[in-house]
Amino acid sequence: NAGVIQTPRHKVTGKGQEATLWCEPISGHSAVFWYRQTIVQGLEFLTYFRNQAPIDDSGMPKERFSAQMPNQSHSTLKIQSTQPQDSAVYLCASSSRDWGANTGQLYFGEGSKLTVL
Amino acid sequence: QQKVQQSPESLTVSEGAMASLNCTFSDGTSNNFRWYRQHSAKGLEVLVSIFSDGEKEEGRFTAHLNRANLHVSLHIREPQPSDSAVYLCAVSISGGSNYKLTFGKGTLLTVTP
Repeated sequence: NAGVIQTPRHKVTGKGQEATLWCEPISGHSAVFWYRQTIVQGLEFLTYFRNQAPIDDSGMPKERFSAQMPNQSHSTLKIQSTQPQDSAVYLCASSSRDWGANTGQLYFGEGSKLTVL
Repeated sequence: QQKVQQSPESLTVSEGAMASLNCTFSDGTSNNFRWYRQHSAKGLEVLVSIFSDGEKEEGRFTAHLNRANLHVSLHIREPQPSDSAVYLCAVSISGGSNYKLTFGKGTLLTVTP
């Protein structure tokens, strides 16, 4: 079991450019999450997919952030017109269908560190 | 909105001494509590999950939950230098948003030989 795979591990962009981050969840997992981690705010929920359908995007900044899950084997987080305050580690996590019922575990990838100059 | 606070911010213990970390939460309907560990530039590793008052042991890691006091703690028995990492408390509430974890900002644990 390869775990949750995130690419790229590091990305540097200039202000105003677009950044796309990729996540491959653990095979067979139906729940996929994106979290953002900064020193100041800690870990913050961004968005949640279940069986590829978007369930909750309440943590996503509305204007420039978007997430998709076109198939069960990958999800993308896209940030348009990146700003320095978008610099963070973006973590993807996946879980089996039991997540949320006091069972199951949430498995995190190693994250994609985004630096916006 | 759920608030999760961890203390202390940093903790140094000697190898073999017990390490105790604290976490308080604000929403009394919370029913799902997890402790994660994060080594530098790595993902999160789940250590122990607890869902009812009392204690839950997983190897050298023991979680204690007291929901009336809005408090959950993690105790690490016989810590090793390899246990040096950031420890994160994560909480979710019951009901429709039970999938969403709210994290504390972590305790940086350093274990000295």
